[in-house]
Amino acid sequence: KAGVTQTPRYLIKTRGQQVTLSCSPISGHRSVSWYQQTPGQGLQFLFEYFSETQRNKGNFPGRFSGRQFSNSRSEMNVSTLELGDSALYLCASSLDLRSGRAGNTGELFFGEGSRLTVL
Amino acid sequence: AQSVAQPEDQVNVAEGNPLTVKCTYSVSGNPYLFWYVQYPNRGLQFLLKYITGDNLVKGSYGFEAEFNKSQTSFHLKKPSALVSDSALYFCAVRGYGNNRLAFGKGNQVVVIP
Repeated sequence: KAGVTQTPRYLIKTRGQQVTLSCSPISGHRSVSWYQQTPGQGLQFLFEYFSETQRNKGNFPGRFSGRQFSNSRSEMNVSTLELGDSALYLCASSLDLRSGRAGNTGELFFGEGSRLTVL
Repeated sequence: AQSVAQPEDQVNVAEGNPLTVKCTYSVSGNPYLFWYVQYPNRGLQFLLKYITGDNLVKGSYGFEAEFNKSQTSFHLKKPSALVSDSALYFCAVRGYGNNRLAFGKGNQVVVIP
């Protein structure tokens, strides 16, 4: 079974540009979450999508946005990039807690991340 | 709101010695607790979880964790550390009914040969 796939793995942008990151979840997983990891702030929750709807949102400015497609693939977008946006962006997928599947405890499975450097 | 505290920045241990990484949590209701490990320039790998039942849970690579409700702790343990266990370890908690994880700041584990 393929894991969570994130693209691109590495990218470099300059201030003011925008970036789009992509995430393909594990087959059958309909919940996709995004996290930002930085040395100073650690792992911070960005948002979660389920069935093409944003279900939860963290404390990030409106420059950070996302969406989910009907095949559960997700994208996140950061506009007007700032130096502080340099981070590892991690996508995670999971079965929904309410899926009713036996043994489902909804643990998150993470991709390898997209490392964004803003110059 | 749910939260996790990992009090130590770095844990140093000699190869072959027991390894313990500490975690305390705060959450409303029954906790869902997880440990993840991260190697350099990689994503997070799931190690183990506590949902309900036996307070001692066993996970991947010989790791186990002990859930203590009265102390709100979920410490990660390994009886005999390997050099390859050197990595960043994260404890996480999720409340019932949502998929949002709150992570601790992480602990760098260094296993000395």
